[in-house]
Amino acid sequence: DTAVSQTPKYLVTQMGNDKSIKCEQNLGHDTMYWYKQDSKKFLKIMFSYNNKELIINETVPNRFSPKSPDKAHLNLHINSLELGDSAVYFCASSQVSGSYNEQFFGPGTRLTVL
Amino acid sequence: ELKVEQNPLFLSMQEGKNYTIYCNYSTTSDRLYWYRQDPGKSLESLFVLLSNGAVKQEGRLMASLDTKARLSTLHITAAVHDLSATYFCAVVSYNTDKLIFGTGTRLQVFP
Repeated sequence: DTAVSQTPKYLVTQMGNDKSIKCEQNLGHDTMYWYKQDSKKFLKIMFSYNNKELIINETVPNRFSPKSPDKAHLNLHINSLELGDSAVYFCASSQVSGSYNEQFFGPGTRLTVL
Repeated sequence: ELKVEQNPLFLSMQEGKNYTIYCNYSTTSDRLYWYRQDPGKSLESLFVLLSNGAVKQEGRLMASLDTKARLSTLHITAAVHDLSATYFCAVVSYNTDKLIFGTGTRLQVFP
């Protein structure tokens, strides 16, 4: 009964490959997010979707494409992977209409590009 | 653009001692969050602070918010080893609704 889940937990791949990370939340939230945490632990938002609509689209290379098939799922597809894409990617969800709008984070996906 | 700074970046403290982590932010915001992250793990929500003067306490941790000074503090009382983790503050950008994270404070508590 995990609230926010991500798959896979670890992803090791070669430069130039295309890969996807999946995220699902069972909290009934209306908004989902992708964050990148770099090797220095710095966390930065990449994208957010509200009810399947793209709301936040940070300055991220267009090799990164989020897709939200429904409000419980937000996937991240990355084309032509580069060494600098190595990081931990966190999915999160929140209920924007709630007073707290607290974000709940998934377990993270550690991506290593060789 | 909203910037969030934490200090110290690293804190090594002895069990039983008290200390405070500071979180400063650069522009108006009405929401501030504190998260804890253990090594290799996800982020766990600790506190949500919504108004000026808000104070919340959970066990040995107490968080406060001063929106006029754009400052939040996370106070640790009588530290224990289990509190060793990285602590992040995060502030919602008023115009964009984005959550902007501080740099994190890595806390190590030793006997």
